[in-house]
Amino acid sequence: DSGVTQTPKHLITATGQRVTLRCSPRSGDLSVYWYQQSLDQGLQFLIQYYNGEERAKGNILERFSAQQFPDLHSELNLSSLELGDSALYFCASSASDYTDTQYFGPGTRLTVL
Amino acid sequence: AQKVTQAQTEISVVEKEDVTLDCVYETRDTTYYLFWYKQPPSGELVFLIRRNSFDEQNEISGRYSWNFQKSTSSFNFTITASQVVDSAVYFCALSEASVGDDKIIFGKGTRLHILP
Repeated sequence: DSGVTQTPKHLITATGQRVTLRCSPRSGDLSVYWYQQSLDQGLQFLIQYYNGEERAKGNILERFSAQQFPDLHSELNLSSLELGDSALYFCASSASDYTDTQYFGPGTRLTVL
Repeated sequence: AQKVTQAQTEISVVEKEDVTLDCVYETRDTTYYLFWYKQPPSGELVFLIRRNSFDEQNEISGRYSWNFQKSTSSFNFTITASQVVDSAVYFCALSEASVGDDKIIFGKGTRLHILP
């Protein structure tokens, strides 16, 4: 158990809909990262938050957004969903920055029908 | 630019055989970190090891060992006396300071099948 929790584990929805994925980092970790894993793209970095502030953006679509709350949990919002958004979405947390190990949550499997 | 290459897409070995997973990386930084993660069929990503660029000592943890060679930009992972439970996808990854964020760049992964 990495100490990172993600809810829900599975999510099935329809095209055009909006969903919210939630992540709670390990106790004491200030950085939260979101990654998308799909068969064709592999594991891709989406966005990083550090202590409530957005720190870096990767290959995140404009239809997607995220935030980190004062209690350090994070939410990833996916809107106007398309079939191609079906993937496994991982949250990871680390104590601070690139020097620290990132521990991953169990992931949320999103299926868009 | 950062890049991690895992040339072996899929490997199958018979239980109890030794197997080495290759990882080659590219970076312009002198300070960086390398990781290996395991993704079993259940899907979670399990952290295995972290190595910083200044520590080239090989590491052994039970049946697992890692060989870090800066001269060849490689960070290979060996499983000795493999077991069926080792069947998983293994990812090598890299993080560095110069790109302005703390993301990890993952290789494409090597799917390892341990046959009973």
